[in-house]
Amino acid sequence: DIVMTQSPDSLAVSLGERATINCKSSQSILYSSSDKNYLAWYQQKLGQPPKLLIYWASTRESGVPDRFSGSGSGTDFTLTISSLLAEDVAVYYCQQYYTTPRTFGQGTKVEIK
Amino acid sequence: EVQVLESGGALVQPGGSLRLSCAASGFTFSSYAMNWVRQAPGKGLEWVSSINNNGGSAYHTDSVKGRFTISRDNSKNTLYLQMNSLRAEDTAVYYCVRGIVGATGGVFDYWGQGTLVTVSS
Repeated sequence: DIVMTQSPDSLAVSLGERATINCKSSQSILYSSSDKNYLAWYQQKLGQPPKLLIYWASTRESGVPDRFSGSGSGTDFTLTISSLLAEDVAVYYCQQYYTTPRTFGQGTKVEIK
Repeated sequence: EVQVLESGGALVQPGGSLRLSCAASGFTFSSYAMNWVRQAPGKGLEWVSSINNNGGSAYHTDSVKGRFTISRDNSKNTLYLQMNSLRAEDTAVYYCVRGIVGATGGVFDYWGQGTLVTVSS
């Protein structure tokens, strides 16, 4: 199974500041023939189901604000919130869909400093 | 509007069985793969099962193989998860999730509100 490891487990960021979450896969999730990374990011607010933010490592889902961006390739990926708003307080998960079983990172909790 | 609505969660004794249902609306159900993803209380997300759009291919995580079966009825726009030989570690909120990308929908774009399964004596 591909193990997804996120860092940090939690972070506190001031309103308007940048938040950066890292995700590392135990093997490459770059499919060479398509040059696509099989990596998605989700946001889960308290008491709600997760919401898809980004897939193909950097493609924003429709309706997701452009302060959310994804980057990286191979085994190392990053989710960046460029200017944190109060509504961004949540747990963020990365997930690989390169193979089954689909696996998630353990989650990163983002709070306001 | 895309909607998926789970039902069937309950308190069940270890070794018991339960069938979850998920009613889908607002999209062409038969065109999409579907998934079950669970979340134990206070824990992270765990993919459980996937099924392709016509029900011809299904996959389960190792911990539920031989105990859980995912299925669908496209005439009823409904997804199912038959859960047998339930264990305490199966206690979780079970989400019905639409999948996109690939035959078994590896990207989870629409999530239901979830249904709680509690396995306890």
